Amino acid sequence: GAVVSQHPSWVICKSGTSVKIECRSLDFQATTMFWYRQFPKQSLMLMATSNEGSKATYEQGVEKDKFLINHASLTLSTLTVTSAHPEDSSFYICSASIPAGGHNEQFFGPGTRLTVL
Amino acid sequence: GQNIDQPTEMTATEGAIVQINCTYQTSGFNGLFWYQQHAGEAPTFLSYNVLDGLEEKGRFSSFLSRSKGYSYLLLKELQMKDSASYLCAVRDSNYQLIWGAGTKLIIKP
Repeated sequence: GAVVSQHPSWVICKSGTSVKIECRSLDFQATTMFWYRQFPKQSLMLMATSNEGSKATYEQGVEKDKFLINHASLTLSTLTVTSAHPEDSSFYICSASIPAGGHNEQFFGPGTRLTVL
Repeated sequence: GQNIDQPTEMTATEGAIVQINCTYQTSGFNGLFWYQQHAGEAPTFLSYNVLDGLEEKGRFSSFLSRSKGYSYLLLKELQMKDSASYLCAVRDSNYQLIWGAGTKLIIKP
């Protein structure tokens, strides 16, 4: 099956700093990647849809200036949490779908646990 | 609005069978997914239904009734490693995935 990697797997940072999370599709090209956030004991919350070569589409309530998404290539999308605060502490997960054929299931990265002190 | 309902938590015994239900109300329907998520890990794909009926894959089966807006995930011969959250997700008319809150399944020996 398709493999999606994320880096780093966990990060601890001080309040006010910026954190960049990378999402890579290892064995396929992903024209669309998705960024989710999941708080403890809650379901996945879609933050934004990232399309290669164009601006990301953000969900209602997600600040685009705070969560910067760059999808510069067909295998890499990055999420930068700018000026992170403790309330941004969460589990961030990316996913990618294979654009053609099948049922377009989403393949998830292993997630990045962000803790902001 | 769009809504997906599934039980918050279920408990079952090792070796038994458990059925996790999911009802949905979405703007359009383009398939229903079940994912398994172990604590602290990302979800992994289990099944996909787009037509009515039962899809069987080993110990796991998934059923869909589009007219009733209903699906279930059936897990047979439960093993301790099946303890996880099970997420139901529906793809709407815009091909966006709408996620349920997940059902935490606890397996007891």
